[in-house]
Amino acid sequence: SQTIHQWPATLVQPVGSPLSLECTVEGTSNPNLYWYRQAAGRGLQLLFYSVGIGQISSEVPQNLSASRPQDRQFILSSKKLLLSDSGFYLCAWSRVGGQNYGYTFGSGTRLTVV
Amino acid sequence: AQSVTQPDIHITVSEGASLELRCNYSYGATPYLFWYVQSPGQGLQLLLKYFSGDTLVQGIKGFEAEFKRSQSSFNLRKPSVHWSDAAEYFCAVGAVFYNQGGKLIFGQGTELSVKP
Repeated sequence: SQTIHQWPATLVQPVGSPLSLECTVEGTSNPNLYWYRQAAGRGLQLLFYSVGIGQISSEVPQNLSASRPQDRQFILSSKKLLLSDSGFYLCAWSRVGGQNYGYTFGSGTRLTVV
Repeated sequence: AQSVTQPDIHITVSEGASLELRCNYSYGATPYLFWYVQSPGQGLQLLLKYFSGDTLVQGIKGFEAEFKRSQSSFNLRKPSVHWSDAAEYFCAVGAVFYNQGGKLIFGQGTELSVKP
C-alpha cells in the first residue's frame, strides 16, 4: 500500500532563518506531488506541484521554493523565513493516469515563525 | 473560471441530528468531485468521490453525497451526526490532464461543531 510521510510535525523558527520541510511517498512510482499551505482560519492554498523529477510548478510567488531531487521526494525550502510564512503545511500525492484519483495527504507540519 | 463554493463557514448541529454541508462548483466540463475531512492538526482524509454513474455516492464514516448537475452541487449528508464528526470539511473539484493525473480546486471549508 501507498504511504506518505511528512516531517517534522511541528517547527518553531526565528524570522530570517532557513526552512526545509520534507515529504516522501512509498509504494508508488512517478506520483504527482503537491505542497499546500493552510493559514489560520483559511482554506488550502496550493504552493507548488510537480509531475516529475526536477519539474516544479509554482502557483503563488513568494519566498518559498520547492525541489524534487528523487521520484518520491518533495522538499519545501526557504532561505529566509518571514512571519507571514507561519501556517500548516501539507504535502499530498496523486496517481498519474487517465483519471483524477484525488489526493492523499500527509499529516502536516505546523510552522510557527517567531 | 473554475471555482468551488462552500457557503457555510461554520455549522453547529446537535448530536444525533442530520447534517447537510453544501458545495457548489463552477467547471467547464464534467468534473471529478471529492469531499475531504480534516480533524484539528491533522491532514485531510478522503471521505468520498464522484466520477460518473450513480449520482448518490457512499463514503466512509456513514457519509454520502449527491451530485446534481442541474444545480452544480455536490452536497454532503449524514443521517445522524456523532460527536466525533466535529471537524473541517472540504469540497474539491478537478479534472484530469492526460497521463498526468489531475489537479484539484478546494473550497474554503466548512467547520462543523457538534453539540452534545
